[in-house]
Amino acid sequence: DTEVTQTPKHLVMGMTNKKSLKCEQHMGHRAMYWYKQKAKKPPELMFVYSYEKLSINESVPSRFSPECPNSSLLNLHLHALQPEDSALYLCASSQEVWRAQETQYFGPGTRLLVL
Amino acid sequence: AQRVTQPEKLLSVFKGAPVELKCNYSYSGSPELFWYVQYSRQRLQLLLRHISRESIKGFTADLNKGETSFHLKKPFAQEEDSAMYYCALKIGMIKAAGNKLTFGGGTRVLVKP
Repeated sequence: DTEVTQTPKHLVMGMTNKKSLKCEQHMGHRAMYWYKQKAKKPPELMFVYSYEKLSINESVPSRFSPECPNSSLLNLHLHALQPEDSALYLCASSQEVWRAQETQYFGPGTRLLVL
Repeated sequence: AQRVTQPEKLLSVFKGAPVELKCNYSYSGSPELFWYVQYSRQRLQLLLRHISRESIKGFTADLNKGETSFHLKKPFAQEEDSAMYYCALKIGMIKAAGNKLTFGGGTRVLVKP
């Protein structure tokens, strides 16, 4: 399996809901990432996990809570989101974090709408 | 802080014509540059890395440290090249920066028949 998969494809949630996004890869990659992409904008990094530990948090609000239960799985828990959090959430993985010219492999994204 | 600029939001060319997508970056150290592409209804994927000096799908890109540029070129555009292209910068070999990619704003390429 050489792909990053993300579920669900689409998600609609209210501002009081709690939901989770899921990302999975079976390429043996040890680094996983969450990005947020607003319409007509480039992806913006949110979190980086290296060997299942959080290594970068780009000052993301606490209503977004990442979790890496094992080396293949990355979750993003959502709680009390705002309408401006509506976006495409992309997951990516790479073999390592620190290696030069490391390629990141992206999932198809989860399109989130917060009402 | 590092920054990537893609001055053209949209490039429209005819099939068979050359296409050049501009990318400029600001970073005083040793950068790592990439081009990522997103075709319609497909995921974002790597097109080129500067260190590889390779040609992928007829595209090449040369890192010019003097001009802080990493322009993407193809001599003869094809209709299947229509896509969104992102230039991305990773600060090289600084562990604290991890594998953090900073993307440019993107250039949409439309190749007309």
